[in-house]
Amino acid sequence: EADIYQTPRYLVIGTGKKITLECSQTMGHDKMYWYQQDPGMELHLIHYSYGVNSTEKGDLSSESTVSRIRTEHFPLTLESARPSHTSQYLCASTYPFPPYEQYFGPGTRLTVT
Amino acid sequence: GESVGLHLPTLSVQEGDNSIINCAYSNSASDYFIWYKQESGKGPQFIIDIRSNMDKRQGQRVTVLLNKTVKHLSLQIAATQPGDSAVYFCAENNYGQNFVFGPGTRLSVLP
Repeated sequence: EADIYQTPRYLVIGTGKKITLECSQTMGHDKMYWYQQDPGMELHLIHYSYGVNSTEKGDLSSESTVSRIRTEHFPLTLESARPSHTSQYLCASTYPFPPYEQYFGPGTRLTVT
Repeated sequence: GESVGLHLPTLSVQEGDNSIINCAYSNSASDYFIWYKQESGKGPQFIIDIRSNMDKRQGQRVTVLLNKTVKHLSLQIAATQPGDSAVYFCAENNYGQNFVFGPGTRLSVLP
């Protein structure tokens, strides 16, 4: 079991609220990622980071933002939640040596009403 | 919420049969190829990897085949069990850069 954690696991929130999804890893990995995944669907990269103070947008346009102030922590924030944000959000970090596999957290299932 | 992509293809197999899941990858410069298994309600987990200088690698009940000529990857699961029911993703990377995940295949094991 990889040491990568996400909280909350489930969140139901009203439209317009600001939310932060937490992701922490204790493996000291520099590279971290956020993916969005609807049930039964593909993974879509929304943000990534190569280390402290590094953040980049991914392939999928997202209204969220991320920060990376500490190596172990990579939170994702939605300033104003909308029903279209309803999805599962997966956080991952990358092992720094071959084959560079990604370790995933359990995910946060977000529902915006 | 809105769907953000394609519904996954589904492979149904009888318990005890062998399963073959296929994947086409995009970058001929990719060096590492990984198969992940995602069970319901969980994040994807590493199953097996293969490097670009190999064409076959075996694990416990799983075999990965790589055909660089046609940029094709496959995962073979021997004697498929109910616990193998999951979504399987292939992924590629170039020495830890340029990660790309395939669309995924849902494996359903029939009793």
